[in-house]
Parts: sequence; structure tokens; C-alpha cells
Amino acid sequence: AQSVAQPEDQVNVAEGNPLTVKCTYSVSGNPYLFWYVQYPNRGLQFLLKYITGDNLVKGSYGFEAEFNKSQTSFHLKKPSALVSDSALYFCAVRDFGSGNTGKLIFGQGTTLQVKP
Amino acid sequence: SQTIHQWPATLVQPVGSPLSLECTVEGTSNPNLYWYRQAAGRGLQLLFYSVGIGQISSEVPQNLSASRPQDRQFILSSKKLLLSDSGFYLCAFSSLAGGWETGELFFGEGSRLTVL
Repeated sequence: AQSVAQPEDQVNVAEGNPLTVKCTYSVSGNPYLFWYVQYPNRGLQFLLKYITGDNLVKGSYGFEAEFNKSQTSFHLKKPSALVSDSALYFCAVRDFGSGNTGKLIFGQGTTLQVKP
Repeated sequence: SQTIHQWPATLVQPVGSPLSLECTVEGTSNPNLYWYRQAAGRGLQLLFYSVGIGQISSEVPQNLSASRPQDRQFILSSKKLLLSDSGFYLCAFSSLAGGWETGELFFGEGSRLTVL
């Protein structure tokens, strides 16, 4: 079965410092991986994805993520955190287990707190 | 451009009352459509998905049902709400470019349901 794990419930970082939000996955075959951000009482906003190609993927708002096949990881990174980056972040993997339905399986989310 | 609209944004309903949440998509044709539920501000659970008009797949047994009466309309319903139906409901669609899925899902702004 395909799954995704976010091992940290919360990540705290000071403004201006680099941030990393961790994600590991378990799939059979090549993974389609995604990161989303959610602000309070809002829907999820798509940040970036990895399907194929370069292992370093760049996305919205200065975020990037590195696909590491040997470690089955897809960590989200940003060189310099902003207070406005404080939000709930979700990693997701496409579920190919039931055909081409496009379903995504989400991790439990990581709250990012950036302090001034 | 592809957009998604979801309403109502908030809803307070008594136990045993009916429910109807509606979602419409614009700027695309024949998208896959999804209803997710988010409990306690954390992980997302896929409730239903649809790959075409009148085609509904349920992921978990529950007190809810879904319908897709038109290509770009997706409705979540219940005949009698339970306390456990409270949560944040998110509608999503699969992004298409040139008729092909790009992989990511785009989400509506969510509907917060409180059952009292």
C-alpha cells in the first residue's frame, strides 16, 4: 500500500533561517509527490510537485523540495523563512493502487512556526 | 483559468438534519472530482471521488453520499447528520492541461460543518 509520513508534528524556526519540513514515502513504482500549504480555515494551496526529471524541484513562494530515491524522501525546504510562512504543510503521494483515479494520499501535516 | 467554488463556507446544523454541500469547477472539462474531510485541523481523509458524470466511488463507509449531476458539479449530502460528521470538508479537482492530467489537485476554500 502506498503511504506518506511526516515525522514532525511541528517545526519551529527563526525568521531568516533555513527551514526543512520532512516527508518520507512508500510506494510501489515511481512516485508522484506533492507539497501543499494550508492557512487557518482555508483550502490547500499547491506548492510544488515531483513527477520526473531533476531531483530538486522549485515551487511557489521560494519553496523547493528534494527528491531522494534511496532515502524515499521528499523534504520541503526554503533558504530563508518568513513569518508569513507559518502554516500547516502537507506532503502527498499519488495513489496508483486503484487505477488512474488521480487520488492523493496525504501525510498528517506539519505545523511550521516561524518566529520573528 | 481553472477555478473551483465551494459553498457554503460555514454551516451549523442540528443532529438529524439534512446536509448539502456544493462544489463547482470552471475552466476545465471532465475533471476528476474529490471530497476530502479534515478533522481537527490535521490529516485529510478522502471520502468520495468521481471520474465522470454519475460515477461516484466511496472510500469509507459513512453517513454521507455524493452525487455528480453535471460534469463540473459535485455535491456532498446527508439525510441525517451525526455529531461525528462535524469537520472541514474540502472539494478538489484534478488539474488538466491540453486534456492531460498534470498530477496535482486544486482545492476549494472548504466548508466548515458543525453539528450540534
